[in-house]
Amino acid sequence: QSALTQPASVSGSPGQSITISCTGTSTDIGSNSYVSWLQQHPGKAPKVIIYDDRSRPSGVSNRFSGSKSGNTASLTISGLQADDEADYYCSSYTRRNTRIFGGGTKVTVL
Amino acid sequence: EVQLLESGGGLAQPGGSLRLSCAVSGFTFSSYIMTWVRQSPGKGLEWVSSITGGSSTSYYADSVKGRFTISRDNSENTLSLQMNSLRAEDTGIYYCARGFSNLFDSWGQGTLVTVSS
Repeated sequence: QSALTQPASVSGSPGQSITISCTGTSTDIGSNSYVSWLQQHPGKAPKVIIYDDRSRPSGVSNRFSGSKSGNTASLTISGLQADDEADYYCSSYTRRNTRIFGGGTKVTVL
Repeated sequence: EVQLLESGGGLAQPGGSLRLSCAVSGFTFSSYIMTWVRQSPGKGLEWVSSITGGSSTSYYADSVKGRFTISRDNSENTLSLQMNSLRAEDTGIYYCARGFSNLFDSWGQGTLVTVSS
């Protein structure tokens, strides 16, 4: 199964909002399968910041929000901060009982 | 607090075996499907395998089917991954994670597997 499609990079200034898209197909995101978003700082393990499309794990800032429409999921980071500079990955369950990932988006805080 | 701690990684020769473990705490282990995911520089994040709470059903990526076996011990709150017939392309950091189809919400710190002669 092909990976989900994410932009390679997104940038923004402190305080701004940015949105990262994650495009799949009718057999994964578009099939009402749940999407998670992960944040990974260099040399660190990935950390889930959104699960089940729009839920946040305990302790994750409400500046992170998830949404989904059709075959595309989106992660919005509001009030961008320096520590938000990291790689972000989306992941979706699929109708074939597998889980797939996007290629990752590098977020740069200008 | 949900905690997942992987162990068992190391260096293995091509064709060799390794057994990874993941000790969990902070939640009712038997109530959750559990998952292994790996990350390698060349292939990014890749789902490896998942197992239902009562071990009745296991799922595998095509790349590891027939070589890897996932298991769990709910009495010990431990998830395992037996990896046989290892290949160079199995090299990477292996993470255990809570959830699969839903509630895919917590990951461990990972354990490094290197397959090389």
